[in-house]
Amino acid sequence: ELKVEQNPLFLSMQEEKNYTIYCNYSTTSDRLYWYRQDPGKSLESLFVLLSNGAVKQEGRLMASLDTKARLSTLHITAAVHDLSATYFCAVDDRDTGNQFYFGTGTSLTVIP
Amino acid sequence: KAGVTQTPRYLIKTRGQQVTLSCSPISGHRSVSWYQQTPGQGLQFLFEYFSETQRNKGNFPGRFSGRQFSNSRSEMNVSTLELGDSALYLCASSLGGYYNEQFFGPGTRLTVL
Repeated sequence: ELKVEQNPLFLSMQEEKNYTIYCNYSTTSDRLYWYRQDPGKSLESLFVLLSNGAVKQEGRLMASLDTKARLSTLHITAAVHDLSATYFCAVDDRDTGNQFYFGTGTSLTVIP
Repeated sequence: KAGVTQTPRYLIKTRGQQVTLSCSPISGHRSVSWYQQTPGQGLQFLFEYFSETQRNKGNFPGRFSGRQFSNSRSEMNVSTLELGDSALYLCASSLGGYYNEQFFGPGTRLTVL
């Protein structure tokens, strides 16, 4: 069964600090997606990574993909309170008709 | 471009009843997926429809069913509701091809009493 693991599950960080969220997956998929979810809200698409070595940046967030290691990272630079949310990674598996598999989520709290 | 819409947004039912949730995808999107989200189990895949056909199904009992119409709108039905069915039900749409980014609706919060 395809597995998607994120760590850490919970992350409390101070403003202006840097940190990285890791996403490991067990399939050979070369496509990975990052989403953000605010409490009580739906999921918002952040990044779509479509090939090995892909890197995308938006503001203080940068996502990368290493398909050989089956690893994606979401790097947070100089965190601010507005980044507090739960972050999910997901892969889709062509062997199962592009079904999405989500990670467990990382709950990020940025402390002033 | 309008986003994914789901109705109703909130629903309260009692055990044993059944419920139907509706999802309207982004215009042009042919794939609709449904997820159940609970604090304990996280995001769990229910099923995916593409061009009116169920393409994938998650590990849920037969009480959970769905369908998709020719205009890509989708419904999911849960029969004989149980307390454990209380969850946020999310619908997502995508083009369904290689570029498979999923866009999520606001969700339906179902409470079973």
